[in-house]
Amino acid sequence: TQLLEQSPQFLSIQEGENLTVYCNSSSVFSSLQWYRQEPGEGPVLLVTVVTGGEVKKLKRLTFQFGDARKDSSLHITAAQPGDTGLYLCAAPMDSNYQLIWGAGTKLIIKP
Amino acid sequence: ETGVTQTPRHLVMGMTNKKSLKCEQHLGHNAMYWYKQSAKKPLELMFVYSLEERVENNSVPSRFSPECPNSSHLFLHLHTLQPEDSALYLCASSQDETWAIEAFFGQGTRLTVV
Repeated sequence: TQLLEQSPQFLSIQEGENLTVYCNSSSVFSSLQWYRQEPGEGPVLLVTVVTGGEVKKLKRLTFQFGDARKDSSLHITAAQPGDTGLYLCAAPMDSNYQLIWGAGTKLIIKP
Repeated sequence: ETGVTQTPRHLVMGMTNKKSLKCEQHLGHNAMYWYKQSAKKPLELMFVYSLEERVENNSVPSRFSPECPNSSHLFLHLHTLQPEDSALYLCASSQDETWAIEAFFGQGTRLTVV
């Protein structure tokens, strides 16, 4: 069974701090997506990583796909209250066209 | 018009009621999806439609009945639900049903079954 485990489940930090959240699996994936879901909204795609070792930057957010394409991390520099939300990772299953999802990291940035 | 619109945003229904959730996409996409999101659990894919044909049904109980009259509209008909069906129901669309394609989500319907 292919699973995506996200850690930590919950993180609350002060504005200006740095943080890293993780998405891990024992399976190899051809690609992996990160979404952010704000309260009362649906998830919004932030990035797709495809190549092992790939690093993508989106302003203060840095996404990395593991060399073996089994894991990924999201690092936020100088977090701001606007970064508050549920961060979800998702990856395509081998057997069909579905995405499997992690349970998410709930991030709260306090002013 | 926003990309994917869901109505209603909130719904409270009794276990004997019949209600429907509506989803409309204005993106010209060919695939539409229903997901269930419960607290602290991964998103659960319920149904996938591609060009109005159902291509996936993930062992969803028959009390949930989807309908896709055209590629822009998707409904989820609900009847005799259970309290454990309370959750956020998300509709999404994508260009087609293949993986690694960006999914665009609606804001969801927060369903409470009493």
